[in-house]
Amino acid sequence: NAGVTQTPKFQVLKTGQSMTLQCAQDMNHEYMSWYRQDPGMGLRLIHYSVGAGITDQGEVPNGYNVSRSTTEDFPLRLLSAAPSQTSVYFCASQNAGGYNEQFFGPGTRLTVL
Amino acid sequence: KQEVTQIPAALSVPEGENLVLNCSFTDSAIYNLQWFRQDPGKGLTSLLLIQSSQREQTSGRLNASLDKSSGRSTLYIAASQPGDSATYLCAAYSGGGADGLTFGKGTHLIIQP
Repeated sequence: NAGVTQTPKFQVLKTGQSMTLQCAQDMNHEYMSWYRQDPGMGLRLIHYSVGAGITDQGEVPNGYNVSRSTTEDFPLRLLSAAPSQTSVYFCASQNAGGYNEQFFGPGTRLTVL
Repeated sequence: KQEVTQIPAALSVPEGENLVLNCSFTDSAIYNLQWFRQDPGKGLTSLLLIQSSQREQTSGRLNASLDKSSGRSTLYIAASQPGDSATYLCAAYSGGGADGLTFGKGTHLIIQP
């Protein structure tokens, strides 16, 4: 199993550009989430999904869109990048229910100029 | 809203010492608490997960305890090694509307050879 994979590992954008961060998992997990990690702020939940076709907002959803068309994939879209979105982004997955551990991808380091 | 605090923010100890990392949370209605390790520039590696009904979990030289009533968890590392140097994060899973983990800001641990 590859676990949770993320692409790209690094990305530099200019303000106003759009892009999609890819996330995939091969563990057949129902739950998937996106977090961002910023110095002094810790990790914060952006969006999450409890299954294909179902998504919801987390703590810091503004400026990001998500969709979940398959169990395996959960892409995160930045429609118009802003410098405030410079961060490290992590995707995670877990089995349904609150009793199972979350598995994290290696992260995408995004810089918006 | 759940809040997770980790003390100390940084810790430096000589190799071979036993040490304790602390994590506190404000809402005791959690499903589980998870400890992670993060190496510089890397993703999160799950170390231990304690279900709400459990008191502790052990893996090798690591032991994590959970006291829901007091809102505390500790990570005990026995016979520390330089390879244990990393940032250790605890995260509480409370479920609810924003279905994700609430993270502490981490303890940056350095083990001196």
